Amino acid sequence: DAGVIQSPRHEVTEMGQEVTLRCKPISGHDYLFWYRQTMMRGLELLIYFNNNVPIDDSGMPEDRFSAKMPNASFSTLKIQPSEPRDSAVYFCASSKSTGLPEAFFGQGTRLTVV
Amino acid sequence: GNSVTQMEGPVTLSEEAFLTINCTYTATGYPSLFWYVQYPGEGLQLLLKATKADDKGSNKGFEATYRKETTSFHLEKGSVQVSDSAVYFCALNTGFQKLVFGTGTRLLVSP
Repeated sequence: DAGVIQSPRHEVTEMGQEVTLRCKPISGHDYLFWYRQTMMRGLELLIYFNNNVPIDDSGMPEDRFSAKMPNASFSTLKIQPSEPRDSAVYFCASSKSTGLPEAFFGQGTRLTVV
Repeated sequence: GNSVTQMEGPVTLSEEAFLTINCTYTATGYPSLFWYVQYPGEGLQLLLKATKADDKGSNKGFEATYRKETTSFHLEKGSVQVSDSAVYFCALNTGFQKLVFGTGTRLLVSP
């Protein structure tokens, strides 16, 4: 299996622009997580889905952030409008509901908002 | 609530030194415990895990023992290598799929 695939790996955008991050989970995994990592705040869980349904979005920082999972093999995290303080590495992870919650992480998207 | 506390880094060691990274937790119920590792420029990878008290997880020379009496899951390695330089995250799970991570501890190993 190719693992969790995220795109793009790097994104540089201007403040105010819309940014869309993409994730393809491992086939057969029914949980999908979006995390944000910064030096100041460490690793934060933003939102997670089970069977394409959002379960907990309490970590989403504000209304500028939204996430969707239209099917089992694709999810997006959108920031509109973006701000410099959104600069971070965004990780997607997936896991199966059977067995231990061993999350498999993608390589992340490094977002820089200038 | 559920939380994980890790020692602050960076931890700086010479090659072949003994490593300990402390991790303690607070949780309701009986959590499963994990150590993840993040190499530069990459995502987190599961390093080892333990599901109940006194279990010892091990992988790649790293070990950690689930200590319920001290609510701890300290990571150890007898002889570190330069290639072990990374950030190490302790995490717990209490029965749902969501993992709670610590803040991470950076390990720097010099030749």
